[in-house]
Amino acid sequence: GENVEQHPSTLSVQEGDSAVIKCTYSDSASNYFPWYKQELGKRPQLIIDIRSNVGEKKDQRIAVTLNKTAKHFSLHITETQPEDSAVYFCAASTGYSTLTFGKGTMLLVSP
Amino acid sequence: KAGVTQTPRYLIKTRGQQVTLSCSPISGHRSVSWYQQTPGQGLQFLFEYFSETQRNKGNFPGRFSGRQFSNSRSEMNVSTLELGDSALYLCASSLEDYDDNEQFFGPGTRLTVL
Repeated sequence: GENVEQHPSTLSVQEGDSAVIKCTYSDSASNYFPWYKQELGKRPQLIIDIRSNVGEKKDQRIAVTLNKTAKHFSLHITETQPEDSAVYFCAASTGYSTLTFGKGTMLLVSP
Repeated sequence: KAGVTQTPRYLIKTRGQQVTLSCSPISGHRSVSWYQQTPGQGLQFLFEYFSETQRNKGNFPGRFSGRQFSNSRSEMNVSTLELGDSALYLCASSLEDYDDNEQFFGPGTRLTVL
């Protein structure tokens, strides 16, 4: 089955810096790659997603890039703010509503 | 539109007991997936239901089962509870259109097994 590796497990940055989280996947049939943000005690919420026919997608301060050949995708957050502090999960899917998640990255943004 | 709801929110059981968790998807969503979240293993896929049929199953023992009703509401059952079953159980629903398979998560049910 699919396996998703996510790095780093924790990431500390200063407010205003950029943050990058990287994931690799194993199944070349995967075609949908969402990123979820989970704040403490809350449910995961989708922040951005990308499909395999697209190489990059941006939404304000957040961007995701996908390299199908290397089977890796990355989340980029620019101009980080304290409210960006949370656990971020990458995921991969080959279809239907089955997501394989990475283990998560705890992002800490210091003022 | 109301979000995904789960009941109960918290549950305390003892080893050997069984438990049933409920999930009501967003209106119009026909797909419901279940995930187990633990600090050590992260988010792990349990199973997914679509139109009352289990379409996919994760790597969990047979003690974990589920079902979906005609109104898309779903339940999962865990029999013969073990200490290691303590976790946050999340369900997620999706519209399951070709261009839209975003999953919306419920708040979760926190299960503690003593």
